[in-house]
Amino acid sequence: EAQVTQNPRYLITVTGKKLTVTCSQNMNHEYMSWYRQDPGLGLRQIYYSMNVEVTDKGDVPEGYKVSRKEKRNFPLILESPSPNQTSLYFCASSLSRGAGYTFGSGTRLTVV
Amino acid sequence: AQTVTQSQPEMSVQEAETVTLSCTYDTSESDYYLFWYKQPPSRQMILVIRQEAYKQQNATENRFSVNFQKAAKSFSLKISDSQLGDAAMYFCAYRSVLSSGSARQLTFGSGTQLTVLP
Repeated sequence: EAQVTQNPRYLITVTGKKLTVTCSQNMNHEYMSWYRQDPGLGLRQIYYSMNVEVTDKGDVPEGYKVSRKEKRNFPLILESPSPNQTSLYFCASSLSRGAGYTFGSGTRLTVV
Repeated sequence: AQTVTQSQPEMSVQEAETVTLSCTYDTSESDYYLFWYKQPPSRQMILVIRQEAYKQQNATENRFSVNFQKAAKSFSLKISDSQLGDAAMYFCAYRSVLSSGSARQLTFGSGTQLTVLP
């Protein structure tokens, strides 16, 4: 089944403890992206990648890192999480700019 | 930068009736793509419908159709014969065809919460 898989689905962590949210797609998509969703704000892009080793900042990149060493994987790294990074995170991929994104199931992150 | 505005935070519709969700956007580009996504309580983001700006014909997908008014920068979603399973948050989104900078991203509106009444 064609899908974007992100893990974990739920995560509670403490301020400053490094964490990684994994994302993998099996559709050979070129484009991958991370979004965060907050009430009243819709989805905002954190980072974007258009191919292996090519990444770019979105609207809210501060406090996040990404890497794209393989086409299928695009992990999101929070080096020192803070409470304002409590949010619902989505990984997504698409074949081209004209295609819609396929989204993962989301990761609910709480930083205390 | 492009912006997407959904002015209706909440809407409701009676089952089997028709409802229209509004979306406007701001851009200086002539070619782009527009999307409607649905997010049910499961929180999964599901692509509902897609419109290419250079096509004048409005996109349709079964009970879902759009009214695309390029000059007015308007992209509304019409849901016909509403069903209980249509209850969800609906997001309008814009995607540029350009490859540089912020044009690479999919820009979302703030969403419209649709309730379907039995």
